[in-house]
Amino acid sequence: GAVVSQHPSWVICKSGTSVKIECRSLDFQATTMFWYRQFPKQSLMLMATSNEGSKATYEQGVEKDKFLINHASLTLSTLTVTSAHPEDSSFYICSARDHSFYSNQPQHFGDGTRLSIL
Amino acid sequence: DQQVKQNSPSLSVQEGRISILNCDYTNSMFDYFLWYKKYPAEGPTFLISISSIKDKNEDGRFTVFLNKSAKHLSLHIVPSQPGDSAVYFCAASKGGTSYGKLTFGQGTILTVHP
Repeated sequence: GAVVSQHPSWVICKSGTSVKIECRSLDFQATTMFWYRQFPKQSLMLMATSNEGSKATYEQGVEKDKFLINHASLTLSTLTVTSAHPEDSSFYICSARDHSFYSNQPQHFGDGTRLSIL
Repeated sequence: DQQVKQNSPSLSVQEGRISILNCDYTNSMFDYFLWYKKYPAEGPTFLISISSIKDKNEDGRFTVFLNKSAKHLSLHIVPSQPGDSAVYFCAASKGGTSYGKLTFGQGTILTVHP
């Protein structure tokens, strides 16, 4: 079945560091990927929609200069948390949209990245 | 503004019995609904979905019911198994498919006791 790989799965870094998270669709092409954030015991909140070859669309309240998204190929989207601070600590999850065949679940999720900022 | 709500943070059920997970939504533009299962430190895994043109969809032990007038959906798991213990999220989208943006509920922790 369709697989989405997210890397790294866990990262700890100092405040002020920039952190890059990769999301790859392994066996299908993904023109659209979605980035979510989940705080403990809360819902998955959509941060932005990443479109291959064009600018990402950010949800209200999400700082586009803080969370840089690049979708340079049909299989890779990256999320860079710039100048990360402790309040950015969260669980970040990507999903990829599969256009290669009709499915009742064309969004496939990665396993997430646990980001901890000290 | 929480457009999709799961008002029960947790549910505890005995193995073999029925688990009923509930979800309410406020946005009448939502027309496609999904249930996901999630383990800690993993991404959500799709379980079952339903379009607003239906009121029931069944897949093995999982059945989703949709009451559009009440803006309410529920997931029934029969019989429940210990391996079903996880966090369950309902999600909604517009446009009749899950191709678009998903709005998730807060999740319900299901614990199935042997």
